[in-house]
Amino acid sequence: DAKTTQPPSMDCAEGRAANLPCNHSTISGNEYVYWYRQIHSQGPQYIIHGLKNNETNEMASLIITEDRKSSTLILPHATLRDTAVYYCIVRLYQTGANNLFFGTGTRLTVIP
Amino acid sequence: EPEVTQTPSHQVTQMGQEVILRCVPISNHLYFYWYRQILGQKVEFLVSFYNNEISEKSEIFDDQFSVERPDGSNFTLKIRSTKLEDSAMYFCASSVPTTTGSSYEQYFGPGTRLTVT
Repeated sequence: DAKTTQPPSMDCAEGRAANLPCNHSTISGNEYVYWYRQIHSQGPQYIIHGLKNNETNEMASLIITEDRKSSTLILPHATLRDTAVYYCIVRLYQTGANNLFFGTGTRLTVIP
Repeated sequence: EPEVTQTPSHQVTQMGQEVILRCVPISNHLYFYWYRQILGQKVEFLVSFYNNEISEKSEIFDDQFSVERPDGSNFTLKIRSTKLEDSAMYFCASSVPTTTGSSYEQYFGPGTRLTVT
């Protein structure tokens, strides 16, 4: 699985968009980008995933560059409850159980 | 909304004792996982389980560890002889296969904090 690089921490004002970057320059053609978050030692929570097209769901948007070497997770209107560690994970999509290998992530702090 | 549950929430044990951590995955899920997180460190994959057998395991998952699905609902992690360094939060997760047999989203439980003294 390709390695990812994320900034260790970011701040965002409440109500503003939070844009969390991730570099995955060695990603291969059949690897997906997944985003999870972990709120204060709770179990990680799935947010979104994508291959090459931009994706949006009720939680967030995922923007993947055309060369797929980087991506950005966007939380459109950050709230205090979005304070968490956000993990960008690149993973091969394959039949069967798809284990996740977490890095150190980005600690997002939403400021009132 | 269905969720993964884990018991106990906190387990304290003495070094050398056996512990069993229990998980109830979401009912229609078929893939099951254990992860652990030592305090202040990253979440680490331990083992995945499908069709009553281990699919994959990490180097951490040595002979001291075992997993079992004893009935149709529970999924357990056993540590045979605990060591101080086994102190961590242990997360269970489950996922459901897509039509192609893979899975995207893993649902994690709240974790069991294991303290070995």
